[in-house]
Amino acid sequence: GAGVSQSPRYKVAKRGRDVALRCDSISGHVTLYWYRQTLGQGSEVLTYSQSDAQRDKSGRPSGRFSAERPERSVSTLKIQRTEQGDSAVYLCASSLLRRNSPLHFGNGTRLTVT
Amino acid sequence: SQQGEEDPQALSIQEGENATMNCSYKTSINNLQWYRQNSGRGLVHLILIRSNEREKHSGRLRVTLDTSKKSSSLLITASRAADTASYFCATDRLNRDDKIIFGKGTRLHILP
Repeated sequence: GAGVSQSPRYKVAKRGRDVALRCDSISGHVTLYWYRQTLGQGSEVLTYSQSDAQRDKSGRPSGRFSAERPERSVSTLKIQRTEQGDSAVYLCASSLLRRNSPLHFGNGTRLTVT
Repeated sequence: SQQGEEDPQALSIQEGENATMNCSYKTSINNLQWYRQNSGRGLVHLILIRSNEREKHSGRLRVTLDTSKKSSSLLITASRAADTASYFCATDRLNRDDKIIFGKGTRLHILP
């Protein structure tokens, strides 16, 4: 079956604008993560949710990042009022179980804030 | 905050040699995982080792876990050019949330 798919692959946004990034995870997977990956900081958890649709356990306290999960296998990461420091690769990952389960990653969205 | 840290940050070896990467972490864990990432792609799961396991093998990969030292190692035997990638360890935290946290990775370069 299909793996985790992210769109768009590349996104350019002007500073101050809001952006939305989409993730289609694997059907039946319970847990869904959003990570932000940069060269200096590695992969940082932004949000993750488990089974409960739309319940977002933010890994990184920030009013500007939020994730919606209208369906179990679809998530949208929203970044409000983008800053240049938000330029990074945003990775979505899902896993079958709540714990002790490998993560399946998409290929990421590269966001550039100008 | 970073839970796991890989060492070294970068490693270059000749094709055919063995590559060893290490990971240290701070708090007790349920399990530790190793992932690989090629440039421009997402991370790919390699192996998961539970806290009650000491060693695990998968093909040319060998992972060890020492919970008393809070460390793990990933050994790739008989390296190939295609093994060139970044390698990350990831841990969850025992009796905390289920969040999986990654280290900053080791960049492995296999020289032909």
